[in-house]
Amino acid sequence: RKEVEQDPGPFNVPEGATVAFNCTYSNSASQSFFWYRQDCRKEPKLLMSVYSSGNEDGRFTAQLNRASQYISLLIRDSKLSDSATYLCVVKRGSQGNLIFGKGTKLSVKP
Amino acid sequence: DAGVTQSPTHLIKTRGQQVTLRCSPKSGHDTVSWYQQALGQGPQFIFQYYEEEERQRGNFPDRFSGHQFPNYSSELNVNALLLGDSALYLCASSLVQGEAFFGQGTRLTVV
Repeated sequence: RKEVEQDPGPFNVPEGATVAFNCTYSNSASQSFFWYRQDCRKEPKLLMSVYSSGNEDGRFTAQLNRASQYISLLIRDSKLSDSATYLCVVKRGSQGNLIFGKGTKLSVKP
Repeated sequence: DAGVTQSPTHLIKTRGQQVTLRCSPKSGHDTVSWYQQALGQGPQFIFQYYEEEERQRGNFPDRFSGHQFPNYSSELNVNALLLGDSALYLCASSLVQGEAFFGQGTRLTVV
C-alpha cells in the first residue's frame, strides 16, 4: 500500500463546477500536510498547507482529519486555469522529506 | 531573486552511461532535496543534503549519488543508467524547516 493515496481521476468538469479531491495517508507519524499543483511538464508548486482546523484561500478549501488520516481539497467555481494535476503531500517531522501521492488530474472545460 | 535553477533541462543518454544533473538553490536556502518523477506518477524522494552531508535517503539504489557544495548547490549522479531511470528529476531547496521550492526539472531520457 502506498503511503499517500489519492483519487485516481481524471476529473473532467465544466467551468463553475465545484470539485473535491480526497487523499488518505498511512503513517500516523506524518506531521505536515500540503496540496501542490503541477501544470503539464512543469514543476510542482505549493497550493496550500492543510491544518486540522481547516483553511481557506479564495475558492480553495483544505481540510485535515487526523483521526481518519484523511485530507481533502475543495475547489469552488472552477476556472479553466485550474486545469492541472493536484498532488497530495505529507511530511514526517519538521525536517522530513515530502511524500507525494500519485496526483489527480483536473480538466476544466468551457 | 532567482528561484531554484536546474541544468540541463533535457538530455538523452544511452543505457550504461553515467549522468550528472545540477541544481542551484534559491538564494538563502541551505537544504537541497532531489526527487524522481516518472510519467504519470508523483515525485519520489531520492535524498536530501544539508551542510554538505546526505541527511536522508529514499529507497533508491547506490547508483544514485549526490553532492552538495559549500555554496549549497548540488549535483545528482546516476551511474549505469537503465531504461527505467527515464524520468523528470526535480530539485527542491528550502531552509531547514521551511517551504520547499522546486526547480523546473531535468527531463532525462535513457535509450
